[in-house]
Amino acid sequence: NAGVMQNPRHLVRRRGQEARLRCSPMKGHSHVYWYRQLPEEGLKFMVYLQKENIIDESGMPKERFSAEFPKEGPSILRIQQVVRGDSAAYFCASSPGSWVNTEAFFGQGTRLTVV
Amino acid sequence: AQTVTQSQPEMSVQEAETVTLSCTYDTSESDYYLFWYKQPPSRQMILVIRQEAYKQQNATENRFSVNFQKAAKSFSLKISDSQLGDAAMYFCAYRTPQGGSEKLVFGKGTKLTVNP
Repeated sequence: NAGVMQNPRHLVRRRGQEARLRCSPMKGHSHVYWYRQLPEEGLKFMVYLQKENIIDESGMPKERFSAEFPKEGPSILRIQQVVRGDSAAYFCASSPGSWVNTEAFFGQGTRLTVV
Repeated sequence: AQTVTQSQPEMSVQEAETVTLSCTYDTSESDYYLFWYKQPPSRQMILVIRQEAYKQQNATENRFSVNFQKAAKSFSLKISDSQLGDAAMYFCAYRTPQGGSEKLVFGKGTKLTVNP
């Protein structure tokens, strides 16, 4: 059973471009979480999605950031018009469902560098 | 809002010795989960150990154990017989099902160095 797969591992974008980060959850997992890790910081929650639904986006910046988890295919975190401050590692985690007695499994992250 | 504090930005330990990493948290919830994650240079987040708040018994996983003090809101990680491969960032995390969300709240991490 493959783990949580994120791609690309590294992404370089110029200021003003768009960044698309992909996350394929573990097989059988229907819940996806996105976290951002700034340098020297812990991970900060951004958004929680289930298939075709955003459940909690309380950690998402109000502008330029969006996320989706379609019925088919990976979850996508999209950052429009990137700025230097968006440079960070973005992690995806997935879990099988109900929070009781489950844990989230993390991908290896995508390091976004904005130049 | 829940917060997690790791007061030790860096720690070091001699190989084969024991080290304890500190974590405190703030919450008004009575039921929740606590975790320690390891992040080696590869960046992969690896679950080390978890503790359910309703369990009084401290969790143990091989050389890793926790000291969970619910009243003090303290959740420290003890690593026994430290090995070179234990060198990594360690993050303490808290989780509660607020409104169905399973999001984790992380501390800022402790960088552990293991000296040969």
